[in-house]
Amino acid sequence: AQKITQTQPGMFVQEKEAVTLDCTYDTSDPSYGLFWYKQPSSGEMIFLIYQGSYDQQNATEGRYSLNFQKARKSANLVISASQLGDSAMYFCAMREGWGYGGSQGNLIFGKGTKLSVKP
Amino acid sequence: NAGVTQTPKFQVLKTGQSMTLQCAQDMNHEYMSWYRQDPGMGLRLIHYSVGAGITDQGEVPNGYNVSRSTTEDFPLRLLSAAPSQTSVYFCASSRPGTNYGYTFGSGTRLTVV
Repeated sequence: AQKITQTQPGMFVQEKEAVTLDCTYDTSDPSYGLFWYKQPSSGEMIFLIYQGSYDQQNATEGRYSLNFQKARKSANLVISASQLGDSAMYFCAMREGWGYGGSQGNLIFGKGTKLSVKP
Repeated sequence: NAGVTQTPKFQVLKTGQSMTLQCAQDMNHEYMSWYRQDPGMGLRLIHYSVGAGITDQGEVPNGYNVSRSTTEDFPLRLLSAAPSQTSVYFCASSRPGTNYGYTFGSGTRLTVV
């Protein structure tokens, strides 16, 4: 079973509008971290935002926020006021467990969403 | 700059050739991983290491070999290249703990003809 599901292969958004990229996850581990990465056309992987399973508040980093709904196992990325430079692939990822030893601690990725920002 | 250094950035191999992708990090991270990225598949884990001398298989390990003799280095070896190994390869490192993200290298674009 997929641990990270991103159901939107591609999305379009108008410049200056907000956009939500969906991510659902599957784990039985009570301790986990959720991450979003951006991959522009140049290919590098850029860390955007992190949410811990025990965090009470949704994470925010500038124009990025993470809509964390633990009961639904959902961790959607919200980008406010989209810019042309936001056009990229976006990956949701999860890290389970305390990260010490064994397969727990590996970062597991979804298949990604390609976001295109229209001027 | 501190980070993860991958070499080479581009490589073309003939079927059956072998090669080693190099990865080095200077952040003293215990965890190191190799991923491959194929269109529509996201990043899939090939091999990983939780410390010097310790390696294990990820989701797609066949055709690849790794070793971790030092904390800093984690090379990925293609034993006998096949066209199915045409991909973009990323090395990444991290500290243990669910609150740490991984730092990625810039990637290696490998084509096997």
